[in-house]
Amino acid sequence: EAQVTQNPRYLITVTGKKLTVTCSQNMNHEYMSWYRQDPGLGLRQIYYSMNVEVTDKGDVPEGYKVSRKEKRNFPLILESPSPNQTSLYFCASSRPQAGGLIATDTQYFGPGTRLTVL
Amino acid sequence: QQPVQSPQAVILREGEDAVINCSSSKALYSVHWYRQKHGEAPVFLMILLKGGEQKGHEKISASFNEKKQQSSLYLTASQLSYSGTYFCGTPVLTTLGRLYFGRGTQLTVWP
Repeated sequence: EAQVTQNPRYLITVTGKKLTVTCSQNMNHEYMSWYRQDPGLGLRQIYYSMNVEVTDKGDVPEGYKVSRKEKRNFPLILESPSPNQTSLYFCASSRPQAGGLIATDTQYFGPGTRLTVL
Repeated sequence: QQPVQSPQAVILREGEDAVINCSSSKALYSVHWYRQKHGEAPVFLMILLKGGEQKGHEKISASFNEKKQQSSLYLTASQLSYSGTYFCGTPVLTTLGRLYFGRGTQLTVWP
């Protein structure tokens, strides 16, 4: 079954304790992204990756790190979490749209990780 | 570069119609539409690629006017299952794989 998996699904932690949220896709997609969702703000992109070893900042990258060492995995790292990073996080993957590389095709989302930082 | 959605919220009775709009200040190559049920991940509905093209998914259709840089999502004869938050997404023409999402339109359908 084609899917994007995220772990953990729920996490409660304390300020400053490093954590990693894993994301894996089995569709051989080139593009992967991390979003955070907060009430009234929609989905805001944190980081995205065009392919292995190629990543770039999205709109809200402060306090986050990512790496893309393998095509299927795109972990999100919070080195020193703070309460303002309490949010719902989604990983997504996609491939280039047919006919060109400048746009992205359907985004497949993982189930989400609800993070609370105390 | 975030697209603007309107209205922010819609409340309907089962069987009524609704229109959700998405507009951008930037030139659009395509528009994505997604629906998110409460507590779940967004799910893809459709992509519109050409100006004026309409697509459909169940009784949900959409149009895309690239000249006006806007898209509209039409929900006809709403069902209870249509409740959720609808997002439009617009690709960034200069960056591979990026998608800007609007803030969402919350649709509630009552029996």
